[in-house]
Amino acid sequence: GAVVSQHPSWVICKSGTSVKIECRSLDFQATTMFWYRQFPKQSLMLMATSNEGSKATYEQGVEKDKFLINHASLTLSTLTVTSAHPEDSSFYICSARKFREGGAQETQYFGPGTRLLVL
Amino acid sequence: QKEVEQNSGPLSVPEGAIASLNCTYSDRVSQSFFWYRQYSGKSPELIMSIYSNGDKEDGRFTAQLNKASQYVSLLIRDSQPSDSATYLCARPKKAQKLVFGQGTRLTINP
Repeated sequence: GAVVSQHPSWVICKSGTSVKIECRSLDFQATTMFWYRQFPKQSLMLMATSNEGSKATYEQGVEKDKFLINHASLTLSTLTVTSAHPEDSSFYICSARKFREGGAQETQYFGPGTRLLVL
Repeated sequence: QKEVEQNSGPLSVPEGAIASLNCTYSDRVSQSFFWYRQYSGKSPELIMSIYSNGDKEDGRFTAQLNKASQYVSLLIRDSQPSDSATYLCARPKKAQKLVFGQGTRLTINP
């Protein structure tokens, strides 16, 4: 397998503040990472694809100015929720793409998630 | 038809029995499939990947892929209460994204 970490694991903030979540691939390099959001009892929803050294690609309906993504290195992507509001409270999960030996096929490994509560 | 379809369950299986989870897909060119397990309140964890027709076994887990019939299944032998979770079937699509099924909630009854 492969290890992906996220920090922080949970955060509580006041409405209007910005929150930064880090996603790291610990034992492999990931040119591509993904950010998901999951509300209680619902499926994973892909928010954006984070590409090292280039702009993120956002899914339809996801505001790029509200959810800022920076993929500054091959092992780190960050998601910043700007001016967070209570409706942004959710479980944010990142994943990192890892190629198998030989590079022919790939697998996504998920971080443990960050639970955000906006008061 | 949804790209990846699963029965949402819940599926209840007695402890020690075989749990069978199924997934169908609509894209005939799909080459690889993944099974993730998600415990309540946790993130998904990869448990199996399968790339070719037939069976792939890993411990108590067996993934089965039938490309002609466009289905992939996951069998869990000797089910344990700790196997109770939501199981997600996924396949890659363009731009490296994963398409997930809606997940099947599995409960193993002691």
